[in-house]
Amino acid sequence: RKEVEQDPGPFNVPEGATVAFNCTYSNSASQSFFWYRQDCRKEPKLLMSVYSSGNEDGRFTAQLNRASQYISLLIRDSKLSDSATYLCVVNARGQNFVFGPGTRLSVLP
Amino acid sequence: NAGVTQTPKFQVLKTGQSMTLQCAQDMNHNSMYWYRQDPGMGLRLIYYSASEGTTDKGEVPNGYNVSRLNKREFSLRLESAAPSQTSVYFCASSENGRDTIYFGEGSWLTVV
Repeated sequence: RKEVEQDPGPFNVPEGATVAFNCTYSNSASQSFFWYRQDCRKEPKLLMSVYSSGNEDGRFTAQLNRASQYISLLIRDSKLSDSATYLCVVNARGQNFVFGPGTRLSVLP
Repeated sequence: NAGVTQTPKFQVLKTGQSMTLQCAQDMNHNSMYWYRQDPGMGLRLIYYSASEGTTDKGEVPNGYNVSRLNKREFSLRLESAAPSQTSVYFCASSENGRDTIYFGEGSWLTVV
């Protein structure tokens, strides 16, 4: 089983739609969780950190479920500019960052 | 507002040639990393340096060497390039190896 798993997609959604991505991780000692966004031929960039209590940043909401070992990302009112690959990233104390394979999102006009 | 800077951005090598990818960060981070990204494979860690003076192998270290020149700089060397090393290479840094990781813009390497 891979350490971090994501549905690769692609998710094709119309503008204005709400879309949710899930990510599961296998290491129960994981302590830090992030969502990164990667545009085509660009570097990954931090979208948001994920906290135990959940957090929201504008149209984006991230949730962490430690018991089930998954994190989620919800995007409301999708924009064309949200089209990208979304990477789930997990880090355990004393270990390196582990990246999921990414979920590709295409927002269609 | 440079962050992580890596050079060159594009390079074409012939099989057997050597080259060094340079990386520098200006955020006073302790940890630095080299990743490669291939279609359908995601990001794979080549080597990392948890702190100045230390380097360790990642998931795919074969065919590469690294040098942590100082706290700012972490270079990746291909001693004898092979077509299998055609990839996009990302340098990254993190303050302490647990918090946010920041990436350079990437280096596109083609080995023919």
